[in-house]
Amino acid sequence: TQLLEQSPQFLSIQEGENLTVYCNSSSVFSSLQWYRQEPGEGPVLLVTVVTGGEVKKLKRLTFQFGDARKDSSLHITAAQPGDTGLYLCAGARRSNYQLIWGAGTKLIIKP
Amino acid sequence: KAGVTQTPRYLIKTRGQQVTLSCSPISGHRSVSWYQQTPGQGLQFLFEYFSETQRNKGNFPGRFSGRQFSNSRSEMNVSTLELGDSALYLCASSPFFVGTEAFFGQGTRLTVV
Repeated sequence: TQLLEQSPQFLSIQEGENLTVYCNSSSVFSSLQWYRQEPGEGPVLLVTVVTGGEVKKLKRLTFQFGDARKDSSLHITAAQPGDTGLYLCAGARRSNYQLIWGAGTKLIIKP
Repeated sequence: KAGVTQTPRYLIKTRGQQVTLSCSPISGHRSVSWYQQTPGQGLQFLFEYFSETQRNKGNFPGRFSGRQFSNSRSEMNVSTLELGDSALYLCASSPFFVGTEAFFGQGTRLTVV
């Protein structure tokens, strides 16, 4: 069974601080996606990374795919209350492209 | 372009009953996946349909079933409901296969009493 370990599970920080969320696996993925979910809503896709070592930026969010395509990180600079939510990573299996999901990181940014 | 539509948004059922949830994917999307989300278990994959065929299936009992119609709309059915089936059920559509990118609906909140 392919697992995707996400850490930390919970993070509560002050507005303006920086943070990093990690997504790790022993398996290689064809791509990795990051989603953000707000309470009572479905996850919303933030980014897809495909190439090992790839870095993508979305305003204050920086996503990186590991060189070996087994891990990924999400870094938020100067976090704002609007960044609050559940962040989920999902890796696409190479065999059938089924998504394997991390358990999520619940992020709270306090004003 | 309309997003993924799930109906109903909220549902309360009694243990032992059955329920059918509906999902209309984004126009042109051929893949529909279903997930169960609970606070304790996170996002659990139920099954994926592509062009009316079940392509992948998660580790759920046979009480959970689904189907996809020729217009890509999908339904999932849960029979003999148990209290533990209470969860947010999410549907996601993708243009080709779910591993590229998934667009989620708002979900159906099912409560079994």
